[in-house]
Amino acid sequence: DQQVKQNSPSLSVQEGRISILNCDYTNSMFDYFLWYKKYPAEGPTFLISISSIKDKNEDGRFTVFLNKSAKHLSLHIVPSQPGDSAVYFCAASRTGGSYIPTFGRGTSLIVHP
Amino acid sequence: EPEVTQTPSHQVTQMGQEVILRCVPISNHLYFYWYRQILGQKVEFLVSFYNNEISEKSEIFDDQFSVERPDGSNFTLKIRSTKLEDSAMYFCASRRTGGVETQYFGPGTRLLVL
Repeated sequence: DQQVKQNSPSLSVQEGRISILNCDYTNSMFDYFLWYKKYPAEGPTFLISISSIKDKNEDGRFTVFLNKSAKHLSLHIVPSQPGDSAVYFCAASRTGGSYIPTFGRGTSLIVHP
Repeated sequence: EPEVTQTPSHQVTQMGQEVILRCVPISNHLYFYWYRQILGQKVEFLVSFYNNEISEKSEIFDDQFSVERPDGSNFTLKIRSTKLEDSAMYFCASRRTGGVETQYFGPGTRLLVL
């Protein structure tokens, strides 16, 4: 039961270019979306979030776009840096519920110098 | 910066043995969680804990699992009789009360059941 899907297990990008990580969800009750970043031997770290009342949220080099009609969100990293190499998890939750996020399987991003 | 800590970082155990995974949440947080990630799969919710009781649990969290907050700082996950399929990375997380908050995750305990 994959309510949150990250269909690309890995992505390789040149330093300085844009990284685009995609995420799809199936549950229309989700109204709050998060991206987490995870380095090896560490736990997931919150990166950026977006509420369903918005279609874009920006924080420095990171921008999340939400397309509710398509049940799709994406994370853009511009410009990509080698230190961005990590596994990125998309997660979704319901603000009227327990806020427990449902995670995707993650996309491993490698940024080459 | 405050952080969630977990011990041990790695644990190897024999099938059928009991294990206790330990977590120290951020001190002013009131909601506590356990998640697991089987290798190559998604992070899965196990249980949430608030006000000294379980507030929500998933289908994974069966009678073999229990959680406890034995004192004011520790939060533990016990697996009574481990199975091979319990091998996973176990993450503890905590958050403050109120509003739409993100959770802060610990570094995880890698459990290997032989």
